[in-house]
Amino acid sequence: GQQVMQIPQYQHVQEGEDFTTYCNSSTTLSNIQWYKQRPGGHPVFLIQLVKSGEVKKQKRLTFQFGEAKKNSSLHITATQTTDVGTYFCAGPDNYGQNFVFGPGTRLSALP
Amino acid sequence: DSGVTQTPKHLITATGQRVTLRCSPRSGDLSVYWYQQSLDQGLQFLIQYYNGEERAKGNILERFSAQQFPDLHSELNLSSLELGDSALYFCASSEDNRDEQFFGPGTRLTVL
Repeated sequence: GQQVMQIPQYQHVQEGEDFTTYCNSSTTLSNIQWYKQRPGGHPVFLIQLVKSGEVKKQKRLTFQFGEAKKNSSLHITATQTTDVGTYFCAGPDNYGQNFVFGPGTRLSALP
Repeated sequence: DSGVTQTPKHLITATGQRVTLRCSPRSGDLSVYWYQQSLDQGLQFLIQYYNGEERAKGNILERFSAQQFPDLHSELNLSSLELGDSALYFCASSEDNRDEQFFGPGTRLTVL
């Protein structure tokens, strides 16, 4: 079946450093979504990418969808302590039969 | 507040028991998803319903079952509970399969 992988599993940064997490799917995704889960909270939708090669920005966050629509990345510039949490990528397969979340990248930061 | 409600917030029970978790989706959302998240783990997709019908099935055990009612609320039934079933159970809803999902606050199940 379809698999979605994320690297790294954990990332610890100093406040002010940049951070990137990568998401790779074993099959083509019709779209990809990113979610953030704060410690003790529930996942919250961040963004959806649909087009091949698409790049979207939200303040210090930059999201990219690969040309082959099988990979994506989330880059955070100048990490702040408010960015701490687990970032999940997710997407339905082209058959619409399943919704697959990656295992997540847990970001921690020291002030 | 995502607009998705889940009850109860916490549930403590014993092995072998059966529990029911309830979810009310956002107004207008037809799809409901159930996920299991064990301690410090990722989100394991269990099952999805769309407008009352099962649409997709993930890694859901045979001891678990779910349904979506005509008013679109959903229930997840967990039976013959084992220690390993202790986890956070999230419900999420969306307008349709390819839309963003809105997660509820979760139900924390502890099996003793």
